[in-house]
Amino acid sequence: GAGVSQSPSNKVTEKGKDVELRCDPISGHTALYWYRQSLGQGLEFLIYFQGNSAPDKSGLPSDRFSAERTGGSVSTLTIQRTQQEDSAVYLCASSLVGGRSYNEQFFGPGTRLTVL
Amino acid sequence: AQSVTQLDSHVSVSEGTPVLLRCNYSSSYSPSLFWYVQHPNKGLQLLLKYTSAATLVKGINGFEAEFKKSETSFHLTKPSAHMSDAAEYFCVVSDVNRDDKIIFGKGTRLHILP
Repeated sequence: GAGVSQSPSNKVTEKGKDVELRCDPISGHTALYWYRQSLGQGLEFLIYFQGNSAPDKSGLPSDRFSAERTGGSVSTLTIQRTQQEDSAVYLCASSLVGGRSYNEQFFGPGTRLTVL
Repeated sequence: AQSVTQLDSHVSVSEGTPVLLRCNYSSSYSPSLFWYVQHPNKGLQLLLKYTSAATLVKGINGFEAEFKKSETSFHLTKPSAHMSDAAEYFCVVSDVNRDDKIIFGKGTRLHILP
């Protein structure tokens, strides 16, 4: 079946502009995660959605970052007034919480964001 | 609350020699533990997972990991390294609890020397 998809695959923007990154999780997965991976760094957790619960936003680095998940499916990560330090690969993952899947995450290919 | 510590940020081994990537965790409940691999310019891929069945878990590409509750460890091993194993490896912990999130370690970059 279809995996996690992300768009765009690459995004180049100018400092100060807003960007939107999209994630389409695997159908039926109730949990969705956003991570950031800077060059040579590990994964930095950003935000976590689980079903209809309030999202865990504890990883968002500043109030310029926000995310929403509409209808429990597609998610959009928005970065306002982008800065050069926002340049990174943004990864989305989904998982089927509960049951026999034991929270295995399935990752999308990522969006490479470059802020000039 | 869970946490995971990967003790080495970089590991270098010669081709054909054993690989050991260390991971320690803390968890309040019964953890599920995973290793993910990320090859250069590739997406993250699940290598293996422990989910309270056998404590020795076999994964893809000849890797395996052993869950040791007394040591709170889940080290990743391979008897003989190949050049293609050069990648970044992430240890991950999750409690088998409906609302718990998954915690990634900071990663270990494995270098294979010819």
